[in-house]
Amino acid sequence: SQKIEQNSEALNIQEGKTATLTCNYTNYSPAYLQWYRQDPGRGPVFLLLIRENEKEKRKERLKVTFDTTLKQSLFHITASQPADSATYLCALDMSGGSYIPTFGRGTSLIVHP
Amino acid sequence: EAGVTQFPSHSVIEKGQTVTLRCDPISGHDNLYWYRRVMGKEIKFLLHFVKESKQDESGMPNNRFLAERTGGTYSTLKVQPAELEDSGVYFCASSQDYGGNEQYFGPGTRLTVT
Repeated sequence: SQKIEQNSEALNIQEGKTATLTCNYTNYSPAYLQWYRQDPGRGPVFLLLIRENEKEKRKERLKVTFDTTLKQSLFHITASQPADSATYLCALDMSGGSYIPTFGRGTSLIVHP
Repeated sequence: EAGVTQFPSHSVIEKGQTVTLRCDPISGHDNLYWYRRVMGKEIKFLLHFVKESKQDESGMPNNRFLAERTGGTYSTLKVQPAELEDSGVYFCASSQDYGGNEQYFGPGTRLTVT
């Protein structure tokens, strides 16, 4: 069956370092992949979308890579700040092109001052 | 510009009762989506409206769930009768375009069925 895997363990890093989060998927070739940020008690907030024919995308301190051979996306936050602490969700189109995203469970990032 | 709003923020009901959740999308967004997150699990798609029409309702769990979007503006999601397993956070999202583009999520309604 189709599966999206994100590390269930929280990632703890020091302020100023680069945070790298991983999203792996199986048994499908998605047309796109998205990353969202979610804070407690709030809905997800869209951060970046990368399409299957793109290898890398950047937005300010954020960088996303998409390796369709490895079936993996890496999400990087450079010069991390305590305000970056949140849960980060990856979401993929795994529905045959209907463009409804399928979400992973998310990874919690904690940036220590 | 106001974001997606949802009402109520939290609802506690007894098994067998009825609850109606409301979502007001961003003005001008034709696409409206409902999702649900059961505790400990991932956010799962329920259904998608384009204006007032149901484009995809493949994620609706069963016929106890009824979604409407009369007039193509706000949407309601009714659960009748509620069961214990319906507990979770219900998110609404809207987008201007279709095709994997940015969806704007509301804060969610936390539903607790006792």
